[in-house]
Amino acid sequence: NAGVMQNPRHLVRRRGQEARLRCSPMKGHSHVYWYRQLPEEGLKFMVYLQKENIIDESGMPKERFSAEFPKEGPSILRIQQVVRGDSAAYFCASSRDRFNQPQHFGDGTRLSIL
Amino acid sequence: DQQVKQNSPSLSVQEGRISILNCDYTNSMFDYFLWYKKYPAEGPTFLISISSIKDKNEDGRFTVFLNKSAKHLSLHIVPSQPGDSAVYFCAASEGSTGKLIFGQGTTLQVKP
Repeated sequence: NAGVMQNPRHLVRRRGQEARLRCSPMKGHSHVYWYRQLPEEGLKFMVYLQKENIIDESGMPKERFSAEFPKEGPSILRIQQVVRGDSAAYFCASSRDRFNQPQHFGDGTRLSIL
Repeated sequence: DQQVKQNSPSLSVQEGRISILNCDYTNSMFDYFLWYKKYPAEGPTFLISISSIKDKNEDGRFTVFLNKSAKHLSLHIVPSQPGDSAVYFCAASEGSTGKLIFGQGTTLQVKP
């Protein structure tokens, strides 16, 4: 999965803390998608961003979760006041275009809530 | 409401034989379909895709077939190799945003 870089790979937080997950897309890609995989489940879409704009956030919980993709720098998925149910693997993907282009994934951030 | 379904949780195949992984979908607006392979502790790796205007796409040992009337796609791997052992996800997208809807995955085991 060279190209899409996510960090950290593992993140441990206590309940009530904030978690920040970072994603640098592949070179030349301006479309970023975030997905979440809960234990024993498949990947679920969270949010789609294109430089400085949120295009679709229909899969993101309404509270505590936010995402950004600034003009400079990586995309950030931010989870405030984390709860045990936020424990999951969070994957970022990028593509050249939204239409008929494969999305390439990073290796994910595994978030554990104590 | 599972819009993309992989009804076989697991599949076991002998090395050198054909592996056939199946996927069904319900949303007729899906117009682009993909297959990914995933190893534990790694992200999904893109394998092959197909647009809804086609019924077949081939790339080396991997071929994807799309039957729009049946809302069914399949991935054929031939010949199967032990290194193909992984979890395979099919995914579908609708053109408006390109977000992917994933199936639950099928674990493929290729025995030497």
